[in-house]
Amino acid sequence: KAGVTQTPRYLIKTRGQQVTLSCSPISGHRSVSWYQQTPGQGLQFLFEYFSETQRNKGNFPGRFSGRQFSNSRSEMNVSTLELGDSALYLCASSHGDRDNQPQHFGDGTRLSIL
Amino acid sequence: QQQVKQSPQSLIVQKGGISIINCAYENTAFDYFPWYQQFPGKGPALLIAIRPDVSEKKEGRFTISFNKSAKQFSLHIMDSQPGDSATYFCAGLTSGAGSYQLTFGKGTKLSVIP
Repeated sequence: KAGVTQTPRYLIKTRGQQVTLSCSPISGHRSVSWYQQTPGQGLQFLFEYFSETQRNKGNFPGRFSGRQFSNSRSEMNVSTLELGDSALYLCASSHGDRDNQPQHFGDGTRLSIL
Repeated sequence: QQQVKQSPQSLIVQKGGISIINCAYENTAFDYFPWYQQFPGKGPALLIAIRPDVSEKKEGRFTISFNKSAKQFSLHIMDSQPGDSATYFCAGLTSGAGSYQLTFGKGTKLSVIP
């Protein structure tokens, strides 16, 4: 079974631009979550989608948004990029509709803001 | 508010020794406690996980000990090997009310020396 796939693996942008990251979950998983990983703040929850609906959102500004498609694939968008947005963005998937189900992560998209 | 406190930040262990990483949590809404292993350039990989109604879980060389009353849990790596050198994260998962969210500790960088 293929794992969680994130594209692209690396991105370089400049301040003020916007970026879209993509995530394909494990086949059969309907929940997709996004996390930001930085050396200073560690792993922080951005938001979670299930069946095309955002179920939960972390403490991030409105510049961070996402969506999920009917095939469970998800995209994350960051607008008006700031230097502090440089991070590894991780996507995780799970069934999302049963207890004690761990989330499985992709290898992330490394976003660098110049 | 750091809801999951992890220690130590870094750990050096001799090959064949026991590695012990500790975590303490505050949020009693956590209903699942996974540990993740992360190598440089890769996403976190699920290592082992435990439910709060279980006091211990063992999978190969990896054991989780869980103390619900103290709100603490730990990872023991027996017979540590150089290939175990990675960063380890403990986490608490909330999956109630139809929302899945992982809250992570800050991570422990483990180095196993030959």
